[in-house]
Amino acid sequence: AQKITQTQPGMFVQEKEAVTLDCTYDTSDPSYGLFWYKQPSSGEMIFLIYQGSYDQQNATEGRYSLNFQKARKSANLVISASQLGDSAMYFCAMREGSNDYKLSFGAGTTVTVRA
Amino acid sequence: DTAVSQTPKYLVTQMGNDKSIKCEQNLGHDTMYWYKQDSKKFLKIMFSYNNKELIINETVPNRFSPKSPDKAHLNLHINSLELGDSAVYFCASSQEAGGQYEQYFGPGTRLTVT
Repeated sequence: AQKITQTQPGMFVQEKEAVTLDCTYDTSDPSYGLFWYKQPSSGEMIFLIYQGSYDQQNATEGRYSLNFQKARKSANLVISASQLGDSAMYFCAMREGSNDYKLSFGAGTTVTVRA
Repeated sequence: DTAVSQTPKYLVTQMGNDKSIKCEQNLGHDTMYWYKQDSKKFLKIMFSYNNKELIINETVPNRFSPKSPDKAHLNLHINSLELGDSAVYFCASSQEAGGQYEQYFGPGTRLTVT
């Protein structure tokens, strides 16, 4: 079964607007971590933000925030004030359990920021 | 001052050949990983080493063999290359295995098998 689901293959957003990227996950382990990575066209993977399952508050990092809804098993990424440089593919990933070392990735969402 | 480096960045080779991809991290991390990204951009873990010890070995053909000579290096050797091995291979490292530690990725190696 797919552990991470990203249902939006591609999105367009106007510069300076906010965009929300959906991510739902599937796990029965009470301890897990959720990550978002950005992959620009140059190919590198850039870590953006992390949310732990026991964290009480939603994670934020600059213009990135994570809308964590535990009951719904969703961890949506919000990018505020989009910039042209935000055009990239975005991956949601999960690590299950405190001793599991691998990241399971979703299929990714391509974001294109329009001027 | 590259944190995680991989060589080569591009690798074009013929079916049946044996090739290696090298990975080095200068972050002092204990754990290193190899991921494969296919043509549809799907990323999947292949291997992980923690302090030179293999801790993850996903369902990968045994033509793929990782080797970790020390904590800072994790190389990937591929025997008898096949067309389906064409992909981008990413090395990554994290401070520790598990927990909240993010993984830092290398720039990737684009392998093309002809």
